[in-house]
Amino acid sequence: EPEVTQTPSHQVTQMGQEVILRCVPISNHLYFYWYRQILGQKVEFLVSFYNNEISEKSEIFDDQFSVERPDGSNFTLKIRSTKLEDSAMYFCASSGDSIQQETQYFGPGTRLLVL
Amino acid sequence: GDSVTQMEGPVTLSEEAFLTINCTYTATGYPSLFWYVQYPGEGLQLLLKATKADDKGSNKGFEATYRKETTSFHLEKGSVQVSDSAVYFCALKGNTPLVFGKGTRLSVIA
Repeated sequence: EPEVTQTPSHQVTQMGQEVILRCVPISNHLYFYWYRQILGQKVEFLVSFYNNEISEKSEIFDDQFSVERPDGSNFTLKIRSTKLEDSAMYFCASSGDSIQQETQYFGPGTRLLVL
Repeated sequence: GDSVTQMEGPVTLSEEAFLTINCTYTATGYPSLFWYVQYPGEGLQLLLKATKADDKGSNKGFEATYRKETTSFHLEKGSVQVSDSAVYFCALKGNTPLVFGKGTRLSVIA
């Protein structure tokens, strides 16, 4: 069964460093998403991406964040200058056709720790 | 804005007990409703969904019915197993991105 994959599974970085989180969505999906879950808190939407551009983003997704689909398979989340409060589990998700109706399938997550 | 409220956990049950995890929502329009499960050390997995009122989603013995009149989507299972121990998230998808509840941790003991 097709699945969303994410790398790395864990990342430790120093405050102020740049990190890139990678995702490979399900191959025939068209919509891509990033979410985060700070330890013990709810899962929060960051950004959605369709047709090579951001379709929606939350207040959390400020200028420190960017997303890219550099080739036909990868979808990346970059944090330019990490802060302590960026420590969280980051989930990538993808969905098939209609952004309103289709179910989102999640990857296993990348746990980011900023020291 | 849209929101989801789940019962506070943790919930601890003995094997073969009946499970209910309450979920209510606030949304404009007619959202789709989901239950996701997160097993220890893993990511979010879709458990079941319902896209319109009175629909019942079911999977792995779990069920939830979309109740528009009570704006609820309670998760139930007739007989839980130790392997059901996980965190369960109720979520909705309307005219907004997926909105999650805070999650309910379930522990099932043998």
